[in-house]
Amino acid sequence: DVKVTQSSRYLVKRTGEKVFLECVQDMDHENMFWYRQDPGLGLRLIYFSYDVKMKEKGDIPEGYSVSREKKERFSLILESASTNQTSMYLCASTSQWQPQHFGDGTRLSIL
Amino acid sequence: KQEVTQIPAALSVPEGENLVLNCSFTDSAIYNLQWFRQDPGKGLTSLLLIQSSQREQTSGRLNASLDKSSGRSTLYIAASQPGDSATYLCAVRSIGANSKLTFGKGITLSVRP
Repeated sequence: DVKVTQSSRYLVKRTGEKVFLECVQDMDHENMFWYRQDPGLGLRLIYFSYDVKMKEKGDIPEGYSVSREKKERFSLILESASTNQTSMYLCASTSQWQPQHFGDGTRLSIL
Repeated sequence: KQEVTQIPAALSVPEGENLVLNCSFTDSAIYNLQWFRQDPGKGLTSLLLIQSSQREQTSGRLNASLDKSSGRSTLYIAASQPGDSATYLCAVRSIGANSKLTFGKGITLSVRP
C-alpha cells in the first residue's frame, strides 16, 4: 500500500516565521504535489514536482517555495508566514497513470 | 480551462438507500477521472480511478461510471451506511496537464441511522 507521510498533523507558527512542511512517500513516485484546502475554495494546487530538483508552479504559488532534493521527499516552505496562510495543507504523490495518493494533511495556524 | 462541478454541495439520506453522486466536467479531453473520500480533518482517500477508455469501475458497494463525451461521471453507493458519511470529491486529469488534477469542491454526504 502507498504511504504518504506528512511530518506534522498540527502546527502553530507566528507571523514572519519561516515554516517547513515535509512530505515523504514510499512508492518511488516521480510526481509529488502540495495543495492547500480552504472552506468554500476547495483544493488548490500550490506547487508540483515531476522529478528530483524539478518543480512547477501551481495555481497559487505566491508566498511559497518548494524543495525536492531526493525522490521520496518534497518540502513546502513558507518564506515569511502570514495569517492568510492559515490552512489545511495536503501532500500527494503519483506515478504515471496511477491514482494520486494523499497524506493525512497538516493543519497550520499562523498567529 | 477545465472546470469540475459537483452538485449538490450536501446530501442527507436515511441508512439503506442507494444513492448517486454526480460530477460534471467541461473539457472531455481527459486521461482519467478519480473519486476520493475525505473524512473531517483528514486527507483524501482514493476510491476509484476510471481511465478515459473505460466506462465504469467497481469496488465493493461503490460503482463509478464515466461518460466522457457528455462530461459526466457518477458514483453509485449501494445500501448506504452511517460509516459512508464523508465528503466525496471527483477530479479529472486533463490531456496536456501533466499529472495534475482538477478537483470539484465535493459533496458532503450524511447517512442518517
